[in-house]
Amino acid sequence: ELKVEQNPLFLSMQEGKNYTIYCNYSTTSDRLYWYRQDPGKSLESLFVLLSNGAVKQEGRLMASLDTKARLSTLHITAAVHDLSATYFCAVENTGNQFYFGTGTSLTVIP
Amino acid sequence: DAGVTQSPTHLIKTRGQQVTLRCSPKSGHDTVSWYQQALGQGPQFIFQYYEEEERQRGNFPDRFSGHQYPNYSSELNVNALLLGDSALYLCASSLQGYTQYFGPGTRLTVL
Repeated sequence: ELKVEQNPLFLSMQEGKNYTIYCNYSTTSDRLYWYRQDPGKSLESLFVLLSNGAVKQEGRLMASLDTKARLSTLHITAAVHDLSATYFCAVENTGNQFYFGTGTSLTVIP
Repeated sequence: DAGVTQSPTHLIKTRGQQVTLRCSPKSGHDTVSWYQQALGQGPQFIFQYYEEEERQRGNFPDRFSGHQYPNYSSELNVNALLLGDSALYLCASSLQGYTQYFGPGTRLTVL
């Protein structure tokens, strides 16, 4: 079974600082997704990464994918309070089945 | 476009009972997947329906079953509820092979 690991599990950072969340997965996949979840809410799609070397940016978030290393990163630039949420990466296998990481709970402190 | 909708929003059941959760996919989507998200954990894949058939199944017991209708809407049924079935149940729809969009979820509490 495909395993997906995220680190850190918990992240507390000050506004204005930069940080990176890491997502490692155990078997070959060319599709990786990043989602945001606010408390008690559903999942909001952030990025879809479909090939090795893919990089996507939206506002203060940038995601990248290295399929050879089986690693994706979500980089946060100059964090603001509104980014506080739980972030999940998910890897899709050839059967369109999604495997989610354990999530990273991000708290941005003023 | 209403997006993915789920009903009910919240549900409270007792151990041993049966429950049915419903999902309407985003317009134009033909594939529905169901996930269980326990508190503090990532979503776990239950199964996926396409063309009214179960195509993929995760590591869940037979107490979990589903159905997809010709209009692509779907149901998740759970029999003989256990306390451990308490979770947020998420439905996601997609057009086969493309990005999944998640519904708001159904919060199930088993007492």
